[in-house]
Amino acid sequence: EIVMTQSPATLSVSPGEGATLSCRASQSIGSTLAWYQHKRGQAPRLLIYGASTRATDIPARFSGSGSGTEFTLTISSLQSEDFAVYYCQQYTKWPLTFGGGTKVEIK
Amino acid sequence: EVQLVESGGGLVQPGGSLRLSCVGSGFTFKNHEMDWVRQAPGEGLEWVSFISNSGNNKYYADAVKGRFTISRDNAKNSLYLQMNNLRAEDTAVYYCARHPNCGYDCYHDYWGQGTLVTVSS
Repeated sequence: EIVMTQSPATLSVSPGEGATLSCRASQSIGSTLAWYQHKRGQAPRLLIYGASTRATDIPARFSGSGSGTEFTLTISSLQSEDFAVYYCQQYTKWPLTFGGGTKVEIK
Repeated sequence: EVQLVESGGGLVQPGGSLRLSCVGSGFTFKNHEMDWVRQAPGEGLEWVSFISNSGNNKYYADAVKGRFTISRDNAKNSLYLQMNNLRAEDTAVYYCARHPNCGYDCYHDYWGQGTLVTVSS
């Protein structure tokens, strides 16, 4: 199976600052990568698919980049509602696999 | 508005069974592939099972193969997960998640809020 590794595990950021989250695949997955935001007690929310395409109604401060094995989610100027756990997921091969998550917390 | 609502979770003893349900609304349910994804306490997301829009094709994670069965009733806009021979490590919040129309190998564009399954004696 394709192993997805996210770093860092926790990111402490002040509101208004930017954040860069990384995701690495154990083998090339092209651009078949999605990013999700997950808040406790809520449904996960799709942010990015195809490595760089924002999902419907996702603010422009969220951007995704990368291909192959290295991917990045960038959040420019964090808002209060952005503090959450973020997961990457590959969908090039079964089983679908997720990274371990990056928790973005208030500094 | 697309909505997915899970139900059926609860406390069950090891070796027991439970059937989860997920009702979809706000979209044409029969047109979409669906998955079950779970999150154990303190852990990340783990894909559990997939079913095609017709119900003819099904995939399972190795951890649940032979114990869990996914099914759907498109007339009732419903997705199910029959879980047998439950183990402590199956304790998790179970989410149903929709594939957009992009084939089997796809991401999830909508998720439910989840239902908690606790396996303990």
